[in-house]
Amino acid sequence: SQTIHQWPATLVQPVGSPLSLECTVEGTSNPNLYWYRQAAGRGLQLLFYSVGIGQISSEVPQNLSASRPQDRQFILSSKKLLLSDSGFYLCAWSVSRLGPSRGGYTFGSGTRLTVV
Amino acid sequence: GESVGLHLPTLSVQEGDNSIINCAYSNSASDYFIWYKQESGKGPQFIIDIRSNMDKRQGQRVTVLLNKTVKHLSLQIAATQPGDSAVYFCAENDIAGGTSYGKLTFGQGTILTVHP
Repeated sequence: SQTIHQWPATLVQPVGSPLSLECTVEGTSNPNLYWYRQAAGRGLQLLFYSVGIGQISSEVPQNLSASRPQDRQFILSSKKLLLSDSGFYLCAWSVSRLGPSRGGYTFGSGTRLTVV
Repeated sequence: GESVGLHLPTLSVQEGDNSIINCAYSNSASDYFIWYKQESGKGPQFIIDIRSNMDKRQGQRVTVLLNKTVKHLSLQIAATQPGDSAVYFCAENDIAGGTSYGKLTFGQGTILTVHP
């Protein structure tokens, strides 16, 4: 069965420090991968998605970047964190074409990032 | 569409009541819809999905209704329990179009609180 791992679960970082959040998927090949951010009490904001190794699409201009060095690994990074980068970060995967027999996204357990 | 900056609407019900959570979507080409449940501090989890060739689909204690004429989706939860307290998101995708790379568009989300 497919599983998705996301770490760390919580992170407190000072302003100006770098960031690296990692997400890995097991049990599937060539998944679509996604990074979402969620502010407290708010909806889901798509940050990046990837349809293959080295292929990254950015949805919103921001202080963050994403990379996909391996088929089932998705990394969210920043060189210098801002206070506004605080939030709940979610990684998700899906098959390339969604549908009733294939389902939608499977989300990781999330990383709570607090920038101080 | 995604309204990530807005506070989420809330719905409060008593244990044992039926709950109805509503969602309006904007893309008339969307043909696949999913409801997700997100408990506090966790990633969203798949509840139920529906294809646009159906107007109703039932699961265990949950029913999704789709009205394509007015672009409206609802999730009905029967005999709501305290464990149903969570944020509920609808999501849509145009799978027949094939150009969205499996990207789901999430609705705003609704906070459901069930009182014992």
